[in-house]
Amino acid sequence: AQKVTQAQTEISVVEKEDVTLDCVYETRDTTYYLFWYKQPPSGELVFLIRRNSFDEQNEISGRYSWNFQKSTSSFNFTITASQVVDSAVYFCALVTGANNLFFGTGTRLTVIP
Amino acid sequence: DTGVSQDPRHKITKRGQNVTFRCDPISEHNRLYWYRQTLGQGPEFLTYFQNEAQLEKSRLLSDRFSAERPKGSFSTLEIQRTEQGDSAMYLCASSLSGGRNEKLFFGSGTQLSVL
Repeated sequence: AQKVTQAQTEISVVEKEDVTLDCVYETRDTTYYLFWYKQPPSGELVFLIRRNSFDEQNEISGRYSWNFQKSTSSFNFTITASQVVDSAVYFCALVTGANNLFFGTGTRLTVIP
Repeated sequence: DTGVSQDPRHKITKRGQNVTFRCDPISEHNRLYWYRQTLGQGPEFLTYFQNEAQLEKSRLLSDRFSAERPKGSFSTLEIQRTEQGDSAMYLCASSLSGGRNEKLFFGSGTQLSVL
């Protein structure tokens, strides 16, 4: 069975603060893919990143960075110098060989101006 | 606009009625997915198509639900004899052909309210 846990239901930060969204996953597969999607108030999920299980290199894209650690089954997402436009629900998701994209319950981020 | 489009954006219906939603994927995408999202939850997989072939259905998709993609382009999702538990956001997504690990492009969804 697979599982994606996003323990933080809601987070509020003041603009320009850094914030980390946690994601812990479970799978017995050795080959899998991890994703982050953003869902703004408009409702349309937007792809942010995909990582395969064999690539543990951390990644940085502008103000966004991701920390993948297989040893702790975590794939955390950090936003540096948060902005009001970052306010959204963020979903971590997992794909395995036998299963389609499986989402966590999401973390609602509110950035206060 | 060349993204995934869904119609209608909102649908209110009475229990027992039938409803149909439409999804137009990105034109060159071969795979089309339907997901359902309830309040406070992540999207849950319902079914997907590779071109016109429906290749997988979730156990969440009861026999009251049917999806089609007749010409491998747009898709429809029909719910017969709606129940209050069907109230949710129905999301459509598409991707280029490939494995499950392809990134998905989502539409804005159809919000269904069953009274």
